[in-house]
Amino acid sequence: EPEVTQTPSHQVTQMGQEVILRCVPISNHLYFYWYRQILGQKVEFLVSFYNNEISEKSEIFDDQFSVERPDGSNFTLKIRSTKLEDSAMYFCASNAGGFEQYFGPGTRLTVT
Amino acid sequence: QQQVKQSPQSLIVQKGGISIINCAYENTAFDYFPWYQQFPGKGPALLIAIRPDVSEKKEGRFTISFNKSAKQFSLHIMDSQPGDSATYFCAASKQQGNQFYFGTGTSLTVIP
Repeated sequence: EPEVTQTPSHQVTQMGQEVILRCVPISNHLYFYWYRQILGQKVEFLVSFYNNEISEKSEIFDDQFSVERPDGSNFTLKIRSTKLEDSAMYFCASNAGGFEQYFGPGTRLTVT
Repeated sequence: QQQVKQSPQSLIVQKGGISIINCAYENTAFDYFPWYQQFPGKGPALLIAIRPDVSEKKEGRFTISFNKSAKQFSLHIMDSQPGDSATYFCAASKQQGNQFYFGTGTSLTVIP
């Protein structure tokens, strides 16, 4: 069964450093998303990407964040200058064009 | 502003019992209501979902009940098993491809 994959599974970085989180969505899916989950809290939407551009973004997704689909398979989230409060699980999801979203296993980002 | 409210925060059920988790929403533009199951350290996995044109949907031991006039929906897990112990999130979406608004999650523990 096709699945969303994410790398790395755990990333530790120092405050102020740039990080890139990588995702390979399910093949032939059209919509791509990043969500985050701070430990013990609910899953929060960051951004969605469709047809090579951002289709929705939340208030969390400020100028420090950017997304890119550099080739036909990868979808990346870049955090330009990490803050302590960026520590969270980051989930990538993809959607074939309907309602269902399929989530990856997540990347745990720890900012020290 | 919390778009989707979920209760209870935690739930303990005996093996074989019925687990019931409730969600309420305000935005009548929501058109899709999924439930996700999340095990520790894993991404949310789609469990079951419903559209507002039906009042109930059943898949195996899992049932969604939907009350459009009350703007509420609930997940019922029949014959609960220890393997069902996980965190359950309700969510809502306005249209295909749009972001999900997640509830705050319910930690379910099924006691053998």
